[in-house]
Amino acid sequence: DQQVKQNSPSLSVQEGRISILNCDYTNSMFDYFLWYKKYPAEGPTFLISISSIKDKNEDGRFTVFLNKSAKHLSLHIVPSQPGDSAVYFCAASNNNAGNMLTFGGGTRLMVKP
Amino acid sequence: DVKVTQSSRYLVKRTGEKVFLECVQDMDHENMFWYRQDPGLGLRLIYFSYDVKMKEKGDIPEGYSVSREKKERFSLILESASTNQTSMYLCASSFGTGLFRNTIYFGEGSWLTVV
Repeated sequence: DQQVKQNSPSLSVQEGRISILNCDYTNSMFDYFLWYKKYPAEGPTFLISISSIKDKNEDGRFTVFLNKSAKHLSLHIVPSQPGDSAVYFCAASNNNAGNMLTFGGGTRLMVKP
Repeated sequence: DVKVTQSSRYLVKRTGEKVFLECVQDMDHENMFWYRQDPGLGLRLIYFSYDVKMKEKGDIPEGYSVSREKKERFSLILESASTNQTSMYLCASSFGTGLFRNTIYFGEGSWLTVV
């Protein structure tokens, strides 16, 4: 049973527009959330994170929103660039249970020029 | 910069062979991990280690074993490779404590094909 789900396997967006990637989780004990970005034939790289005490964290073009009551987080990329085309994984952890990360299945983002 | 190095990028092995995947990190991280990535399934944890000679099973340990004899090195072993172990394998490491303990750093991955 997947505790972290990314229900959209792929997303296509025009360059300059907003990309919104979604992630849902079921474990209410998760208290820290991360997004990773992965290019083909490379390992994932850390992008941005958010603690459960916040509902928003921003870093340049990337913003992560957390809705604890809905057990939902989203990553917004504004404006989207062709170089953002990659697979994005969300991950969650419970800091009281060893900080292990549980990953979602990933969403492939394609930004068209 | 954190460097996690996986020794082999691409391997082709025969069914039944013993396979070793090696990983080295240079940041003195306490924690090391092995994941596999399969389409639609995301990253699934095989094994992890929080200290030298310590290991813990992850979500899918069957058919795998690990070895951590030195802090910087974590090896994944496929005792008898099978075709369903064809996948991309990712090694990662992280600090054991502190503010950034949740952030794990990945290597570039090893593509294993079992024929």
